[in-house]
Amino acid sequence: DTGVSQDPRHKITKRGQNVTFRCDPISEHNRLYWYRQTLGQGPEFLTYFQNEAQLEKSRLLSDRFSAERPKGSFSTLEIQRTEQGDSAMYLCASSLVPGGSTDTQYFGPGTRLTVL
Amino acid sequence: AQTVTQSQPEMSVQEAETVTLSCTYDTSESDYYLFWYKQPPSRQMILVIRQEAYKQQNATENRFSVNFQKAAKSFSLKISDSQLGDAAMYFCAYRSARNRDDKIIFGKGTRLHILP
Repeated sequence: DTGVSQDPRHKITKRGQNVTFRCDPISEHNRLYWYRQTLGQGPEFLTYFQNEAQLEKSRLLSDRFSAERPKGSFSTLEIQRTEQGDSAMYLCASSLVPGGSTDTQYFGPGTRLTVL
Repeated sequence: AQTVTQSQPEMSVQEAETVTLSCTYDTSESDYYLFWYKQPPSRQMILVIRQEAYKQQNATENRFSVNFQKAAKSFSLKISDSQLGDAAMYFCAYRSARNRDDKIIFGKGTRLHILP
């Protein structure tokens, strides 16, 4: 267990529904990242926060996706009007920057989304 | 743009033997980090080993070591005395050393099977 938790672990939804995932990082970590991993692929970067500020968003993050980290602690990732192509594992990671060797990103267990 | 290539989708090794996983990457940057992450079946991704590009000495963590060839842009992982618990997907990954470019770029992974 890396100390990063995600909820729920699994989510099945119907196309067109909205879903929200939560990530709780390691408590002292100031950076929080979201990645998406489809079957047979490596994770792909979506976005990251430093404290409550969203510093970078990937082009993969369409207008239907929104992420927040309101108090610089936990984060939520919302997908509106889900599509079958959104089916994937959504991974959260956290790190402490600057931190020398501690700026390593530690990953959570992921939320597996299935869109029917 | 940076890319990471893992040319071995699957590998098998006999328990207690040594195996080497290959990785090449492409970047125009001179300062960066390279990683190997392990993702066991249905479990979260964990960091195996990390290499700073400015360090000539190859990183070592117990039974895991890397062969970092900066000029060739090659970063292989050697696992000695393979154990059943080493069975997993292994991802080679790259991260820029620029403070605000903090995303990790992953390869597609190599699935490692350990034969008893």
